[in-house]
Amino acid sequence: GDSVTQMEGPVTLSEEAFLTINCTYTATGYPSLFWYVQYPGEGLQLLLKATKADDKGSNKGFEATYRKETTSFHLEKGSVQVSDSAVYFCALTPGTGKLIFGQGTTLQVKP
Amino acid sequence: DTEVTQTPKHLVMGMTNKKSLKCEQHMGHRAMYWYKQKAKKPPELMFVYSYEKLSINESVPSRFSPECPNSSLLNLHLHALQPEDSALYLCASSQDPAGASRGEQFFGPGTRLTVL
Repeated sequence: GDSVTQMEGPVTLSEEAFLTINCTYTATGYPSLFWYVQYPGEGLQLLLKATKADDKGSNKGFEATYRKETTSFHLEKGSVQVSDSAVYFCALTPGTGKLIFGQGTTLQVKP
Repeated sequence: DTEVTQTPKHLVMGMTNKKSLKCEQHMGHRAMYWYKQKAKKPPELMFVYSYEKLSINESVPSRFSPECPNSSLLNLHLHALQPEDSALYLCASSQDPAGASRGEQFFGPGTRLTVL
């Protein structure tokens, strides 16, 4: 079945460091891919998305490229801030109405 | 209006109580969802409504009873819950009907439920 695998956290970085959170997926067909962010005590917010191969999603300095050949959708940011501390979920939907999530990666950014 | 709202924000209930969670969206979305999220875990899908009809029930115990009175409103009725049902309950919506949607889901802030 369809699945998403994220790098295990927590990830601890200093402010202004470069961020990469790895995400790979297994799916039949052509899923849409998403990154969601969850700040402490809140719901999930859509961070970015990509709906077809080679699409690049971007938002608030975060980027991820849909790589079909490597079945990956890695999240990157050039310079993290303390306010980026949160849990990040990679997810896919194969078009059935279900969102399939990775296990989540906790990011802690220290000043 | 581009948000999903949920009430209440927090709920504490005993195992014999009956309570309801409420979710609203005014984006004209055709599908609405209930998720359960335990600490440090991803959300788990419970129910999906598409065009106000239940389209997916992920084998959820009958002590959870969903209801979709209209296209903007989704309720989750709770009865005889167990302490292990304590969790964050998230509502979401998507523009396209569930079976045809490859688009994003928009999430509400959640209801933090504690069952004593």
